[in-house]
Amino acid sequence: QQQVKQSPQSLIVQKGGISIINCAYENTAFDYFPWYQQFPGKGPALLIAIRPDVSEKKEGRFTISFNKSAKQFSLHIMDSQPGDSATYFCAASQMDSSYKLIFGSGTRLLVRP
Amino acid sequence: DSGVTQTPKHLITATGQRVTLRCSPRSGDLSVYWYQQSLDQGLQFLIQYYNGEERAKGNILERFSAQQFPDLHSELNLSSLELGDSALYFCASSVDVGGEQYFGPGTRLTVT
Repeated sequence: QQQVKQSPQSLIVQKGGISIINCAYENTAFDYFPWYQQFPGKGPALLIAIRPDVSEKKEGRFTISFNKSAKQFSLHIMDSQPGDSATYFCAASQMDSSYKLIFGSGTRLLVRP
Repeated sequence: DSGVTQTPKHLITATGQRVTLRCSPRSGDLSVYWYQQSLDQGLQFLIQYYNGEERAKGNILERFSAQQFPDLHSELNLSSLELGDSALYFCASSVDVGGEQYFGPGTRLTVT
């Protein structure tokens, strides 16, 4: 029940296209859903996060869509650029009890020029 | 740059040895979290400290221990090292008990 399932494992998108990464969770007590971006040799960097009281959050080219009833959330990268090529992790946590982040398995994104 | 610092960047040691990884949180952050990243297990939460006190524990082995000092820096101690302990170890920090977590650059541990 603590798992977060992420798909796809890898994704290849052409420059200018839309990258979509999906995550699903089981624990309905989760109430904080961040996305992290990780470049090789670097630590995960917080990209964008959402709480379940909203269905969508947008920051620049990055959008999180959240479906509480389906227990799913996704990251959309609009106008994908080669510089977006990285590994993306979704995560979930309960902000009022254990604050540990439960991470998805990661998606390796390659944006072709 | 997240403002979280970790030392050393790389560590190579032999099986059975003991190592200490160090983390300094962002200025003003009271919580420190330790995570392990390996190819087979992904990113896994180990332990959290808040203002010097242990707050939450994850899948941390008994051979591993951590502490947070009065100046809020934290150390992760790994003992009786095994080949399977080879991984990236990340420290993250947040302002309060919960909230946005910012990760450091990590320490790559290689056990030979």
